[in-house]
Amino acid sequence: AQSVTQLGSHVSVSEGALVLLRCNYSSSVPPYLFWYVQYPNQGLQLLLKYTTGATLVKGINGFEAEFKKSETSFHLTKPSAHMSDAAEYFCAVSGIFGNEKLTFGTGTRLTIIP
Amino acid sequence: GAVVSQHPSWVICKSGTSVKIECRSLDFQATTMFWYRQFPKQSLMLMATSNEGSKATYEQGVEKDKFLINHASLTLSTLTVTSAHPEDSSFYICSATRRLNTEAFFGQGTRLTVV
Repeated sequence: AQSVTQLGSHVSVSEGALVLLRCNYSSSVPPYLFWYVQYPNQGLQLLLKYTTGATLVKGINGFEAEFKKSETSFHLTKPSAHMSDAAEYFCAVSGIFGNEKLTFGTGTRLTIIP
Repeated sequence: GAVVSQHPSWVICKSGTSVKIECRSLDFQATTMFWYRQFPKQSLMLMATSNEGSKATYEQGVEKDKFLINHASLTLSTLTVTSAHPEDSSFYICSATRRLNTEAFFGQGTRLTVV
């Protein structure tokens, strides 16, 4: 069984400040981990993914995440927030093949303060 | 990247009628398609998994006779909400994966409102 916990349903940061969205997972097999962004009334867009190899993963729009097996974490960061980053962010985990069903966290709504 | 198109993007229907939602992979063959449901301000909950040419696998608690899924080709899956009721109002999202690829591609979602 797999599960994802996102700490903080709402996060607010000032424009230009560091963005940190937390994600912890539980998986009985080596996980594939994903971060998705969702804008209102739209589908999900992949920000980045971890499969194997390098544990620091860089994605689109300046986001990156680090897979820490010992902490079972996959936190999402961005050095400098932009107004366009305001959205809902979902962390997800899938099985070893990666193209299996995704288990999502409850989401974190990111608000950017001008 | 691969594109998944979902249609319609929104639909309003009367209680008791049926609604069909289409999910198409435009530039790749989708070996597996997934249907999710998302309530306001909540996460995505998997409803069912469908593989081309075979019956869909439904998650526990999802009524297969109410949410009919057909995956007739490698590029098209449909979700039909039968005898819709107001509690079926939700945001429905499909995703598709292809063989040996580690990413799921999502449609734009369909906002269903049952009145």
